[in-house]
Amino acid sequence: AQKVTQAQTEISVVEKEDVTLDCVYETRDTTYYLFWYKQPPSGELVFLIRRNSFDEQNEISGRYSWNFQKSTSSFNFTITASQVVDSAVYFCALRNSNSGYALNFGKGTSLLVTP
Amino acid sequence: NAGVTQTPKFQVLKTGQSMTLQCAQDMNHEYMSWYRQDPGMGLRLIHYSVGAGITDQGEVPNGYNVSRSTTEDFPLRLLSAAPSQTSVYFCASSPNRGTGELFFGEGSRLTVL
Repeated sequence: AQKVTQAQTEISVVEKEDVTLDCVYETRDTTYYLFWYKQPPSGELVFLIRRNSFDEQNEISGRYSWNFQKSTSSFNFTITASQVVDSAVYFCALRNSNSGYALNFGKGTSLLVTP
Repeated sequence: NAGVTQTPKFQVLKTGQSMTLQCAQDMNHEYMSWYRQDPGMGLRLIHYSVGAGITDQGEVPNGYNVSRSTTEDFPLRLLSAAPSQTSVYFCASSPNRGTGELFFGEGSRLTVL
């Protein structure tokens, strides 16, 4: 079965705090891709990162960082020094080899950053 | 730089009516798909296409039809709208199946009364 679990439904932090969004996945594929998307209040879906199963190096992009651990099937997303503009719903997704390579999304984590 | 274009952005239907959500992409992408987004459910795949003339069902296909006569267009048809189809619909495309990165349209909000 292909499944993505985002256990945190809602998170609320104060500006400048660090916050980690959890993502746990299940797949039987040996080659797979994981993604994070951001959906701000305006509603569009913004691609943040793609990671393939052979690359376990952590990635940092400005205040964003991602920790990929195959041993725990997790692909967590950390925002350092959060800002109000980070308020959004964040989706983790797994490329699904069973559906024409569609993305299988988690249910999302709603992040609210208050001043 | 149009990318993925969805129309209409908003639509209100009465139960039993039919309609088509249009999706067009100008990036020559092989892969196109339709998702619906409901509160607390994330995005769920309705139908997808890996190229012109080829379509297949996703996780929640009932009540929807698709066709792919050209590479650019992938319309989603609601045959007889039901209140359960009230949702936000997203069309997405990808240049190939290898990496799977999806480019999304802006979404279409559909309300069925």
